[in-house]
Amino acid sequence: DVKVTQSSRYLVKRTGEKVFLECVQDMDHENMFWYRQDPGLGLRLIYFSYDVKMKEKGDIPEGYSVSREKKERFSLILESASTNQTSMYLCASSLWDGNNQPQHFGDGTRLSIL
Amino acid sequence: AQRVTQPEKLLSVFKGAPVELKCNYSYSGSPELFWYVQYSRQRLQLLLRHISRESIKGFTADLNKGETSFHLKKPFAQEEDSAMYYCALQSGGYQKVTFGTGTKLQVIP
Repeated sequence: DVKVTQSSRYLVKRTGEKVFLECVQDMDHENMFWYRQDPGLGLRLIYFSYDVKMKEKGDIPEGYSVSREKKERFSLILESASTNQTSMYLCASSLWDGNNQPQHFGDGTRLSIL
Repeated sequence: AQRVTQPEKLLSVFKGAPVELKCNYSYSGSPELFWYVQYSRQRLQLLLRHISRESIKGFTADLNKGETSFHLKKPFAQEEDSAMYYCALQSGGYQKVTFGTGTKLQVIP
C-alpha cells in the first residue's frame, strides 16, 4: 500500500518565518504534488514535480517554493510566512506509466501562521 | 483552461434515500474524471474513476460527455457515507489534477 508521509500534523509559526513542510513517499512514484485545502475553495495546486529537480507551478504558487532533491521527498517552502498562508497543506504522489493514475495523499499538515 | 464545478457545498439526505452528488467539468480534450472522498479525520482517498466503470461502496458515476458531467450516485445512502466528496479532472502528460470545491454529504439517521 502506498504511504505518503507528511512530517507534521500540526505546525504553528510566526509571520515572516521561513517554513519547511516535508513529504516522503515510499512507492517510487515519479509525480509529487502540494495542495492547500481551504473550506469552500477545495484543493488548490501550489506546485508539482514530475522528476527529481523538476518542478512546475500550479495554480497558486505565489509565496511558495519547492525542492525535490530525491525522488521520494518533496518539500514545500514558505519563504516568509504570512497569515493568509494559514491552511491545511496536502501532499500527494502518483505513478507515471503513460496513463492517468490516481493520486495518493498524506494526512495533511495544518499550518497556523500567527 | 480546465474547470470542475460542484454546485452544492452541502447535501443532506436521510438514510436509505438516493444520493446524487453533482459534478460538471469544462475541458477541451478527452478528460479523465475521478471522485475522491475524505472521511472525518482520514486522509483524502480515491473513491472511483470513470475508466474503471466499477461500483465502489455502492457508488457509481457515469461520464456524460454531452452534458460534461460526472455525477456520483448511490441508490440508498448509509450513515457511513457522510464525508467530503471531491470531483477531479486529470489531464496532461504530468497528470495535473483540477479539483472541484467539494460537497459535504450528510446522511441523517
